[in-house]
Amino acid sequence: GNSVTQMEGPVTLSEEAFLTINCTYTATGYPSLFWYVQYPGEGLQLLLKATKADDKGSNKGFEATYRKETTSFHLEKGSVQVSDSAVYFCALTNAGNNRKLIWGLGTSLAVNP
Amino acid sequence: DAGITQSPRHKVTETGTPVTLRCHQTENHRYMYWYRQDPGHGLRLIHYSYGVKDTDKGEVSDGYSVSRSKTEDFLLTLESATSSQTSVYFCAISESKGLAGETQYFGPGTRLLVL
Repeated sequence: GNSVTQMEGPVTLSEEAFLTINCTYTATGYPSLFWYVQYPGEGLQLLLKATKADDKGSNKGFEATYRKETTSFHLEKGSVQVSDSAVYFCALTNAGNNRKLIWGLGTSLAVNP
Repeated sequence: DAGITQSPRHKVTETGTPVTLRCHQTENHRYMYWYRQDPGHGLRLIHYSYGVKDTDKGEVSDGYSVSRSKTEDFLLTLESATSSQTSVYFCAISESKGLAGETQYFGPGTRLLVL
């Protein structure tokens, strides 16, 4: 079946450090892949997405590339800010699944000044 | 912003009482979802709807029912609330945009405390 595995947190970084949050998936066919972000006390916001292999999603300085050969969609940012402190969720959706999302458990990021 | 509102935003209730949460959307989306979010479990799907009066169970549906009598409203009912249903509840819609595919957008959430 479909599944998503994210690296466990919490991840703690200093401001301006490089960020990688790993996400790997198991799915049949050609899923779409997503990163959502949840800031403290708020709901989930779509951060970026990719719908086919080799696509790169990007937003707010974050990037992730859909790697079918390694079944991965790792989230990266070159220089994190304190305001990036949040929980990040990787997810996928597959055709014929009533558009349901399969979620990772989330990775908490804390950025210190 | 996908025009999703949830009400109430906060609720405190007692064990054994029924509770109804409302999700309202303004953009005529066909697909709607109810999730709960708990520490260590991420997001878990409770029920979803793929049209008016068309609903189906998610992975944690026991103790919950839903109704969708019109496109814009998706109601989640806890038939007899228990302390294990203390959680944050999120509603979502799915939007489809051609080659961009399908994307879920979320409401602001409802914090429910069952005493």
